[in-house]
Amino acid sequence: GENVEQHPSTLSVQEGDSAVIKCTYSDSASNYFPWYKQELGKRPQLIIDIRSNVGEKKDQRIAVTLNKTAKHFSLHITETQPEDSAVYFCAALGEGNTPLVFGKGTRLSVIA
Amino acid sequence: EAGVVQSPRYKIIEKKQPVAFWCNPISGHNTLYWYLQNLGQGPELLIRYENEEAVDDSQLPKDRFSAERLKGVDSTLKIQPAELGDSAVYLCASSMGVYNEQFFGPGTRLTVL
Repeated sequence: GENVEQHPSTLSVQEGDSAVIKCTYSDSASNYFPWYKQELGKRPQLIIDIRSNVGEKKDQRIAVTLNKTAKHFSLHITETQPEDSAVYFCAALGEGNTPLVFGKGTRLSVIA
Repeated sequence: EAGVVQSPRYKIIEKKQPVAFWCNPISGHNTLYWYLQNLGQGPELLIRYENEEAVDDSQLPKDRFSAERLKGVDSTLKIQPAELGDSAVYLCASSMGVYNEQFFGPGTRLTVL
């Protein structure tokens, strides 16, 4: 089945700097890659997603890139703010009845 | 519009006792998921429903876990008997379809003593 690896497990950045979180997946048939943000004690919420027919997607300060050949995708947050502090999860979904598989998460701390 | 509703929010039980969790998905969402989330880990799928049909339950420990979604709306997840290792947050999510955004409920934090 699918295996998703996420790095780093923790990341600290200064406010205003950029943050990059990287994920790799094992199933070449995976074609949907969402990113979820989970604040402490709260539910995961989708922040951006990308499908396999595009290489990059942007939404204001957030962007995701996908390299299908290398089977990796990354989350980029620019001009980080303290409210960006949370745990971020990448995930990958294949075809058919395969489940959405999450990475282990990256705890991002934005230092003011 | 109300989001995904779960109850209870917290549950403390002794090992070997039964426990049940309830989920009400967003109206119109045919796809419903139950996840288990351990501290410091990502959610792990237990079961996925399309309407009232369980289409992916390969990760559900069927010797002690069961789930149902009788009318294709609300769902319950049951553990009987609970073990110490079952302590975790149980998340319910719903979506319009498997390739659409999943909306998560607040979760039920289970502690087994």
